[in-house]
Amino acid sequence: AQSVSQHNHHVILSEAASLELGCNYSYGGTVNLFWYVQYPGQHLQLLLKYFSGDPLVKGIKGFEAEFIKSKFSFNLRKPSVQWSDTAEYFCAVNALTGRRALTFGSGTRLQVQP
Amino acid sequence: DVKVTQSSRYLVKRTGEKVFLECVQDMDHENMFWYRQDPGLGLRLIYFSYDVKMKEKGDIPEGYSVSREKKERFSLILESASTNQTSMYLCASLPPDYKNTGELFFGEGSRLTVL
Repeated sequence: AQSVSQHNHHVILSEAASLELGCNYSYGGTVNLFWYVQYPGQHLQLLLKYFSGDPLVKGIKGFEAEFIKSKFSFNLRKPSVQWSDTAEYFCAVNALTGRRALTFGSGTRLQVQP
Repeated sequence: DVKVTQSSRYLVKRTGEKVFLECVQDMDHENMFWYRQDPGLGLRLIYFSYDVKMKEKGDIPEGYSVSREKKERFSLILESASTNQTSMYLCASLPPDYKNTGELFFGEGSRLTVL
């Protein structure tokens, strides 16, 4: 069964700082990878996804993530965070064989201070 | 836009009560899921269904059951609620071409408190 690890549970940054959130998954086969975001009081929204091709994917609001197959990693980055990026971020994986459900990491709470 | 609607945003129940959480999606998706979200634990899969009348256990099915009588509706049932089932419950649906899209569409969530 696949699993997802997010190493940072709570990150506090000042506005304009750069962000990198780690995500590692365990599954040897082909996967689709996702980052979801949950703003305070809102439902989960897709930030970006990787299926194939260019391992550097760009999402909404200036976020990007890089898939490194050899490291089983899919880290999320943003060069300069804003106060409005305060949210919880979830990495998720979907193995293309077996069950169709996404497996989520434990989440990283990002707090951006003005 | 896909719409996943969870009928109850907030519920307060007593230990031992039977609880129904309803979820409806409007995009004719075969695949539907129930997760619970807890601080520090992320989202954990309770049950899922790929078709009407079909259900499969997820990672934490104990204490829960589900019903899928119609394609658009997927209900989560707590037969006898317990305090450790206090949580945010999220319903999601997945389109049939999930291998090309893979994106889960989530409802707003149902926050259940069991006293």
